[in-house]
Amino acid sequence: QKEVEQNSGPLSVPEGAIASLNCTYSDRGSQSFFWYRQYSGKSPELIMFIYSNGDKEDGRFTAQLNKASQYVSLLIRDSQPSDSATYLCAVRSSGGYQKVTFGTGTKLQVIP
Amino acid sequence: DTEVTQTPKHLVMGMTNKKSLKCEQHMGHRAMYWYKQKAKKPPELMFVYSYEKLSINESVPSRFSPECPNSSLLNLHLHALQPEDSALYLCASSRPGQGQPVQYFGPGTRLTVT
Repeated sequence: QKEVEQNSGPLSVPEGAIASLNCTYSDRGSQSFFWYRQYSGKSPELIMFIYSNGDKEDGRFTAQLNKASQYVSLLIRDSQPSDSATYLCAVRSSGGYQKVTFGTGTKLQVIP
Repeated sequence: DTEVTQTPKHLVMGMTNKKSLKCEQHMGHRAMYWYKQKAKKPPELMFVYSYEKLSINESVPSRFSPECPNSSLLNLHLHALQPEDSALYLCASSRPGQGQPVQYFGPGTRLTVT
């Protein structure tokens, strides 16, 4: 069983719509959760991190965490073509605080 | 400032060459990481340094040799690489400890082994 799972996509949404990206993880003791955006050929860029159950909002981005369901999501409101990228979910497990495990990423396409 | 710099941006090397990748950060972070990323795959952890000491080696072949000369600098020495080692090599840094392990990535070095 993969430790961090994401739907590889592509997820296509029209410009202005809400994009919903999902991630599940297997280690119930996981502590910290991160969303990175990666454009093709570029390095991952941190979008948000979340530690506590509930929602965390930053501009057009909202991260949602449900530890009971072992589920973390990223909502992008008013999606723009510039949001088209691969979104990587990363999870810090209970075992080692320096190590995060990345999901395989979801490719998002925002259609103008 | 969340900047991590990496040099060179691109590197082409033969299988008998010796080269080094360099990573630098001035954010006061005391944990630094090397990742390898192949196309359409997530970053794969190679090494972690914490307070300039190697704390994690993910069973990386010895043809990759990391070095952390000081708290701001991280090197990856390469020798006798194979074509399958061609990838994007990413450096990241974070504050050590359990409080806030947010990793910030550098732009990467695109390595091609011929």
